[in-house]
Amino acid sequence: NAGVTQTPKFRILKIGQSMTLQCTQDMNHNYMYWYRQDPGMGLKLIYYSVGAGITDKGEVPNGYNVSRSTTEDFPLRLELAAPSQTSVYFCASSRGQISTTPLHFGNGTRLTVT
Amino acid sequence: QQQVKQSPQSLIVQKGGISIINCAYENTAFDYFPWYQQFPGKGPALLIAIRPDVSEKKEGRFTISFNKSAKQFSLHIMDSQPGDSATYFCAPLYAGGTSYGKLTFGQGTILTVHP
Repeated sequence: NAGVTQTPKFRILKIGQSMTLQCTQDMNHNYMYWYRQDPGMGLKLIYYSVGAGITDKGEVPNGYNVSRSTTEDFPLRLELAAPSQTSVYFCASSRGQISTTPLHFGNGTRLTVT
Repeated sequence: QQQVKQSPQSLIVQKGGISIINCAYENTAFDYFPWYQQFPGKGPALLIAIRPDVSEKKEGRFTISFNKSAKQFSLHIMDSQPGDSATYFCAPLYAGGTSYGKLTFGQGTILTVHP
């Protein structure tokens, strides 16, 4: 099994451009999440989904959008990229609530906005 | 408001030594206390976790100690190995209600184990 796969691994955007970060998992997990990690900081939750068609905001949702049309895929959309969105983005999934089942993370997408 | 404070920020240990990382929290509603391990270029991975009904949990060389009254929990790595060199995050959680994915991550501790 591949687990959680994120693409691309690296991306440079100009201010105002848009892009979609892709995330797919092959573990049939209902729960999926997007986090961002800034240097010297822990991860912060952007958006999460408890199943296909259901999404909700996390701690830092501004400037991002998500959709969940299938169980496997959970893309993160950046509209009008800003330098403050320079970060490493991690997608994760879990079989159930994370207090009872572990989070499985992808290897991240490093995004630079200049 | 900083809910979770992790210390030290970095730690250098000789092979075979004991590594100790501490996590202090403010939210008394937290009821699930995990530690995550992250290697360079990889996502974090759950290492070990504890619930507040026990004061200690051991898995191999890794032990969590939990002090509810002090609102602290710590990670002990016995017989530290160079392969343990990574960044460690505490990430407590309130498991009740709408807690989906809402781990509160500490700032991270960079552990370096010298051979």
